[in-house]
Amino acid sequence: DIQMTQSPSSLSASVGGRVTITCRTSQGISNFLAWYQQKAGKAPKLLIYAASTLQSGVPSRFSGSGSGTDFTLTISSLQPEDVATYYCQKYNSAPLTFGGGTKVEIK
Amino acid sequence: EVQLVESGRLVVQPGGSLRLSCAASGFTFDDYTMHWVRQAPGKGLEWVSLISWDGGNTYYADSVKGRFTISRDNTKNSLYLQMNSLRTEDTALYYCAKDSSRGELDYWGQGTLVTVSS
Repeated sequence: DIQMTQSPSSLSASVGGRVTITCRTSQGISNFLAWYQQKAGKAPKLLIYAASTLQSGVPSRFSGSGSGTDFTLTISSLQPEDVATYYCQKYNSAPLTFGGGTKVEIK
Repeated sequence: EVQLVESGRLVVQPGGSLRLSCAASGFTFDDYTMHWVRQAPGKGLEWVSLISWDGGNTYYADSVKGRFTISRDNTKNSLYLQMNSLRTEDTALYYCAKDSSRGELDYWGQGTLVTVSS
């Protein structure tokens, strides 16, 4: 099975700051990668699919990039409401593995 | 509006069985693949299983293969997860989720807590 490595596991940034989260797969998955946001006590929410396509209604400060084995989620200007844990997920084939998650906090 | 509503909080002893249900509304249920995803307390997300629109194809995580069975009843707009031979490590919040048709999960339920404990 393909392994997912997400980093960092946690980070702290200032309001307005730029945040970058990376996800690496052990084998190429083309662009079959999604990013989810999970706020405390809530269900996950889809942010980005096909590595770089923003889900409807998601603020444009979120962006995704990458293909093959290396992917990035960027928050261009961190807002207080972005405090959450972020997960990547591959979906090229089963099992649909998630990354370990990145907890984002405000400095 | 898409809604996914899982069954309520459940407690079972190790070795026991349980069936989770998820009631779907707000979309044409039998057009979409559906998934179960779980999250152990304080841990990350773990994909559990998926079932195709017609039930003809199912897939499982290795951690549950042979113990869990996913199924659906398109006449009732419902998704199920039959969980047998439960272990303490199966304790988690179980989410049902809708596939977008591309593979990512675009809608999630609120989750149902399964506790496996003696």
